Amino acid sequence: EVQLVESGGGLVQPGRSLRLSCAASGFTFDDYAMHWVRQAPGKGLEWVSGISWNSGSIGYADSVKGRFTISRDNAKNSLYLQMNSLRAEDTALYYCAKDSNSNRDGYNSAWGQGTMVTVSS
Amino acid sequence: EIVMTQSPATLSVSPGERATLSCRASQSVSSNLAWYQQKPGQAPRLLIYGASTRATGIPARFSGSGSGTEFTLTISSLQSEDFAVYYCQQYNNGQGTFGQGTKVEIK
Repeated sequence: EVQLVESGGGLVQPGRSLRLSCAASGFTFDDYAMHWVRQAPGKGLEWVSGISWNSGSIGYADSVKGRFTISRDNAKNSLYLQMNSLRAEDTALYYCAKDSNSNRDGYNSAWGQGTMVTVSS
Repeated sequence: EIVMTQSPATLSVSPGERATLSCRASQSVSSNLAWYQQKPGQAPRLLIYGASTRATGIPARFSGSGSGTEFTLTISSLQSEDFAVYYCQQYNNGQGTFGQGTKVEIK
């Protein structure tokens, strides 16, 4: 069974940094691309970033480009999101999602339960 | 950026009735379109991929159609567990943008 478990969320002041992690199990992690998707309270889903199986292809939403960095450690079956210069509008539940393909051009075939990030002074 | 637009924002349907949800892309996404269901307090669940292929374990009352820029999700006979928010997502360009969602509520 595919399992994705996010961690690292919390309350952080504007302008500060936070690093999210996603621990994957139940599938061959380095065969698949991975994504971060967020959902602000009461709002819809927003794709944030995606990374291919070998980190060779990475993409970001315009809203986070230059501030967020996605990475993965295939040896540890883990996905990360380094979030810098956080803003109030980054407040959201952050989901880790498994791509159906290796090159981040597939659909999200599995989701974690999310980790909440709140940016507030 | 490909913009996905869903309609209507809210759909009021009686149990047993048919629900038809629409999703439009700002440019062609071929058949690279997925539908997800989300219930309160839960992560999204994949329903449909490739515009019309049901994901594993999804009941046959859910069906998807369309290609290019116009897509439809149909729930043939709504069950109580189907009242939720539904999102479409294009995955044609490596940036999986979502529609804003359609809430299916009990009439």
